Amino acid sequence: DIVMTQTPLSLSVTPGQPASISCKSSQNLLYSDGKTNLCWYLQKPGQSPQLLIYEVSNRFSGVPDRFSGGVSGTDFTLKISRVEAEDAGLYYCMQNIQLPYTFGQGTKVEIK
Amino acid sequence: EVHLVESGGGSVQPGGSLRLSCVASEFPFSHYWMHWVRQTPGKGLVWVSRISGDGSTTNYADSVKGRFTISRDNAKNTLYLQMNSLRAEDTAVYYCTRDCSGPSCWGLIDYWGQGTLVAVSS
Repeated sequence: DIVMTQTPLSLSVTPGQPASISCKSSQNLLYSDGKTNLCWYLQKPGQSPQLLIYEVSNRFSGVPDRFSGGVSGTDFTLKISRVEAEDAGLYYCMQNIQLPYTFGQGTKVEIK
Repeated sequence: EVHLVESGGGSVQPGGSLRLSCVASEFPFSHYWMHWVRQTPGKGLVWVSRISGDGSTTNYADSVKGRFTISRDNAKNTLYLQMNSLRAEDTAVYYCTRDCSGPSCWGLIDYWGQGTLVAVSS
């Protein structure tokens, strides 16, 4: 199975400041069609996960542009340019190139 | 907007069975692959199973293979997960999720239900 490792596991951010979460995969996530199958989800308190980013850097419908994703090799990054109170929750990366799909451990983002 | 509503969770003894259901609405259900994903405090999010739009193809995590069966009734817009020989480690919130299923996004889980809790304990 592909192992997804997230860092840090928790983060405390002041509103208006940037935040960054890393996710490293144990294998290459580049598919034969040229797409890289890595996505990010946010689980707000008391809610189910919601899709933020897919294929490394594409924002899902309705996701604010303060969220962005990037990659360097097998190291993936989710960035929030200016954190808002509504961004609090658990962030997960997931690889969907190979079954079983696997998730990172989650990063808890707290707003100061 | 896509709507997924799970039901059927509850408390069960080890070795027992449960059947989860997920009613889908606001999208052409039969056109979409569907997945079950579970979440525990200790292990986080874990993919469980998936099924093709016509129900002909299914896949399972090794941890549930032979014990769980995913199925669907497209006439009822309903996804199922039959869980047999339940173990304590199957205790989790189970989410019904939709696969984007499009030519440019096949394999991407784009929508999640609210989840249903399964508790396996003696």
